[in-house]
Amino acid sequence: AQTVTQSQPEMSVQEAETVTLSCTYDTSESNYYLFWYKQPPSRQMILVIRQEAYKQQNATENRFSVNFQKAAKSFSLKISDSQLGDTAMYFCAFMKHGIQGAQKLVFGQGTRLTINP
Amino acid sequence: DAGITQSPRHKVTETGTPVTLRCHQTENHRYMYWYRQDPGHGLRLIHYSYGVKDTDKGEVSDGYSVSRSKTEDFLLTLESATSSQTSVYFCASQGSAPFAETQYFGPGTRLLVL
Repeated sequence: AQTVTQSQPEMSVQEAETVTLSCTYDTSESNYYLFWYKQPPSRQMILVIRQEAYKQQNATENRFSVNFQKAAKSFSLKISDSQLGDTAMYFCAFMKHGIQGAQKLVFGQGTRLTINP
Repeated sequence: DAGITQSPRHKVTETGTPVTLRCHQTENHRYMYWYRQDPGHGLRLIHYSYGVKDTDKGEVSDGYSVSRSKTEDFLLTLESATSSQTSVYFCASQGSAPFAETQYFGPGTRLLVL
């Protein structure tokens, strides 16, 4: 069974700083997907970024980027030039790759990030 | 993002009563999921559907049932609500190509069982 661990329950940084959220996972699969979801106070789950395990290049979406280390089973999220609107709970999630068919997401426990003005 | 709605958004009920939560998506997605969110656990899968009338259990399915009679609707029923089922419930649907692996979430339903 897959497990996802986020070792930082809470983090706090000043606006405009760069912050890195950690995520490690355990799996015997060779092909899979990794995701970061953001959950602001509204509770809506918002996809931040996705990474395919067979792609060596780290995914980037504007101010958000990941550091994917497959051998170490590590998938950290870096937020550059942090903004007040980045304040949220962040979840790391794992999904097995399937040729077709439903695949469940396995979530970490979350990291509560606060951006201070 | 996929158009996914959930109803009701908030519900208070009493122990022992049946409760049905509804998820509706407008993207014609084949796969749909129900998760629950509790402090310290992230989100955990309750049930999922891989087509009309095709459903299967997730990791925390005890006390829950689901039904899917149309592509767009996925219902979650708590057969006899208990206080341990107080939680926030999220529905998700799985995207189509090119990002067929991505799940998009509804706004959530906060359920309180007294």
